[in-house]
Amino acid sequence: KAGVTQTPRYLIKTRGQQVTLSCSPISGHRSVSWYQQTPGQGLQFLFEYFSETQRNKGNFPGRFSGRQFSNSRSEMNVSTLELGDSALYLCASSLALGAGEAFFGQGTRLTVV
Amino acid sequence: GESVGLHLPTLSVQEGDNSIINCAYSNSASDYFIWYKQESGKGPQFIIDIRSNMDKRQGQRVTVLLNKTVKHLSLQIAATQPGDSAVYFCAEIKAAGNKLTFGGGTRVLVKP
Repeated sequence: KAGVTQTPRYLIKTRGQQVTLSCSPISGHRSVSWYQQTPGQGLQFLFEYFSETQRNKGNFPGRFSGRQFSNSRSEMNVSTLELGDSALYLCASSLALGAGEAFFGQGTRLTVV
Repeated sequence: GESVGLHLPTLSVQEGDNSIINCAYSNSASDYFIWYKQESGKGPQFIIDIRSNMDKRQGQRVTVLLNKTVKHLSLQIAATQPGDSAVYFCAEIKAAGNKLTFGGGTRVLVKP
């Protein structure tokens, strides 16, 4: 069974631009969560989607948004990029809400210059 | 490889020795705890979990202990191997939903 796939693996963007990251969960998994990982702040929860609806949201500004499609694939978007948005963005998939065990992708390394 | 954290606490352990990684959690309402291992350039990988109605759970070479009185979680790795070198995170989940709240992480370095 294929794992969680995130694309692209690496991305370089300029301040002010926007970016879209993609996540394909494990087949059959319907919950997708997004996390930001930085050396200073560690792993922080961004949001969770289940059945195309956002179910949970972390403490990030409105520039960070996401969506989930009917096939459970998810995208997250960051608009008006800032230098501080440089991070590893991780996607995790779970079987269902409250399923607990989450499987992570390898992440997308975003660098904002 | 990518640096997960520049100022993580580090545990240096001799190959073959046992490792103990500690974690303090914050929310007494959390009902599910997970340990993850993250190697350089990879996403976190599930190691073992424990529900709040348990105080100990064993896996292959790993044991998780939960002390709800002091809100403390530990991961014990038996006979530590070079492949165990990684950053280890504890995470907690409250009921409903899959939002993981992660601890800061501990870097484990296994010396040959």
